[in-house]
Amino acid sequence: DARVTQTPRHKVTEMGQEVTMRCQPILGHNTVFWYRQTMMQGLELLAYFRNRAPLDDSGMPKDRFSAEMPDATLATLKIQPSEPRDSAVYFCASGSGKVGELFFGEGSRLTVL
Amino acid sequence: AQSVTQPDIHITVSEGASLELRCNYSYGATPYLFWYVQSPGQGLQLLLKYFSGDTLVQGIKGFEAEFKRSQSSFNLRKPSVHWSDAAEYFCAVGPYSQGGSEKLVFGKGTKLTVNP
Repeated sequence: DARVTQTPRHKVTEMGQEVTMRCQPILGHNTVFWYRQTMMQGLELLAYFRNRAPLDDSGMPKDRFSAEMPDATLATLKIQPSEPRDSAVYFCASGSGKVGELFFGEGSRLTVL
Repeated sequence: AQSVTQPDIHITVSEGASLELRCNYSYGATPYLFWYVQSPGQGLQLLLKYFSGDTLVQGIKGFEAEFKRSQSSFNLRKPSVHWSDAAEYFCAVGPYSQGGSEKLVFGKGTKLTVNP
């Protein structure tokens, strides 16, 4: 059963620490999305890759966030330094290029103290 | 700008009752429309999608949705709700941005509670 795998599932850290979240997209999918979910803002798109190339990261705070795809099986989202307002659930989703047909991982719940 | 409004933050229904979740969108062209469901502690799962053609679309788990262009709506329905349908439901519209992007805009979600 193909699925998107995210690690860690839960992360508690202190303000100022670096946080790295990882995502393994479904094999063969060529698009990867990072979303952030909070009660106040709902689902926000942070970054979007196609064929490992970043297409859009306009939703991402550039000063502290970075997203990369070192290879086709790994996407990373890094926050450095982390702040309490970064506390949220971060979702990775992958797709095969069909508009809107995304497969989401179970998310990484981040708490920054 | 593209946007999605889900007017109901929380809906409670009894098991076996019918369900309708509302979704209104703002989009400059013919939209692609989607409903996703999120069970507690899980990621989102695609329920159904509308691209073109028949305005009534069927999805998984017995859900259906109807596209009404005149009302800019894409409401989700189910004739008889099961306790396992308790979840949060998200309406989405896309694509947006230039360059053939596959990005979606999501609504804020409607949380569904099912009473026994």
